[in-house]
Amino acid sequence: ILNVEQSPQSLHVQEGDSTNFTCSFPSSNFYALHWYRWETAKSPEALFVMTLNGDEKKKGRISATLNTKEGYSYLYIKGSQPEDSATYLCAFISGATNKLIFGTGTLLAVQP
Amino acid sequence: EAGVTQSPTHLIKTRGQQATLRCSPISGHTSVYWYQQALGLGLQFLLWYDEGEERNRGNFPPRFSGRQFPNYSSELNVNALELEDSALYLCASSLRTSGYNEQFFGPGTRLTVL
Repeated sequence: ILNVEQSPQSLHVQEGDSTNFTCSFPSSNFYALHWYRWETAKSPEALFVMTLNGDEKKKGRISATLNTKEGYSYLYIKGSQPEDSATYLCAFISGATNKLIFGTGTLLAVQP
Repeated sequence: EAGVTQSPTHLIKTRGQQATLRCSPISGHTSVYWYQQALGLGLQFLLWYDEGEERNRGNFPPRFSGRQFPNYSSELNVNALELEDSALYLCASSLRTSGYNEQFFGPGTRLTVL
């Protein structure tokens, strides 16, 4: 059974704080790692798709790194803003299956 | 460009009934995915359709089935509904059949089984 774990489960930070979350996944038969942001009452929105060991991706204040050999990815948010409040989900694909296996997410709350 | 659409938004059924959920992908997307988020659980992969064929399914009983139409829209059918089928069902679509492509999600259908 493939397991994707995310930590922490929830995080409360002040506006302006920088934060990071961890996604752990099986290191064997890696194909891709997706990050999604899911705001309340909206649909999950893709942030990054990461495929190569050592990948680093950035979108504005959000960036992510990938280590496929040890099976983890970090998501960083620099200078958190209230609009960053959401659940951040990572999803792992093993082999060429297109089957996303989601972690349970990290709930981020940014207080003004 | 229109996003992924799902209907209905909410659906209330009783145990033993059948539910049909619909999804229209983004224009040009051939792959459609279905996910379930039951209360207190994460998103669970249900089904993947591409070019009208079922390509993969998650660990769900055969009561969960679906199909993809020639216009790439999709239907999810849940037969013999059970209370634990109450959940948010999300549909997603992607361009081509590759795990390297991000999935675009619809707003979901909330199914309540009484």
